[in-house]
Amino acid sequence: RKEVEQDPGPFNVPEGATVAFNCTYSNSASQSFFWYRQDCRKEPKLLMSVYSSGNEDGRFTAQLNRASQYISLLIRDSKLSDSATYLCVVNMGGFKTIFGAGTRLFVKA
Amino acid sequence: DGGITQSPKYLFRKEGQNVTLSCEQNLNHDAMYWYRQDPGQGLRLIYYSQIVNDFQKGDIAEGYSVSREKKESFPLTVTSAQKNPTAFYLCASSIGGTNYNEQFFGPGTRLTVL
Repeated sequence: RKEVEQDPGPFNVPEGATVAFNCTYSNSASQSFFWYRQDCRKEPKLLMSVYSSGNEDGRFTAQLNRASQYISLLIRDSKLSDSATYLCVVNMGGFKTIFGAGTRLFVKA
Repeated sequence: DGGITQSPKYLFRKEGQNVTLSCEQNLNHDAMYWYRQDPGQGLRLIYYSQIVNDFQKGDIAEGYSVSREKKESFPLTVTSAQKNPTAFYLCASSIGGTNYNEQFFGPGTRLTVL
């Protein structure tokens, strides 16, 4: 079993749709969680950190479920510019960080 | 304008050659990292450095070497011992460890072995 697993997609959605991604992790001792965004042939950039209480940033909402060992990302009112690959990132303490393979999102006009 | 720079953007190497990828940051970050990204896979850690003159192997260090003589610089050498070096190489830095700290990435170097 991979340490961090994501549905690779692609998710094809129309503009204005709501889309959700899930990510599961295997190590129950994992300490911090992030979503990064990666555009085609570019570097990853932090989208948001994920807190136990859940957090929201505009159209983006991240949730953490420690009991079931998954995190989620919800995107509301999708824009064309949201088209990218979304990476689930899990830190297991110190410098041990695992990146998921990513979920590809295509938002269509 | 703070950030991380990597050079070159594209690099072509003949089999049997060593090549060095440059990574420089002006964010005053202590920690720096090298990752490799292959299609359909997550980033994999090659080496990381917590402080000047110190570095640690990551998950896939074989065939690679690094140095950290200055806080700002963390070059990666891909040696001829690396059997499948064609990949997208990303350098990153963070204030401290990656626990709770964002990693900032450079634009990457695409290495192709001919």
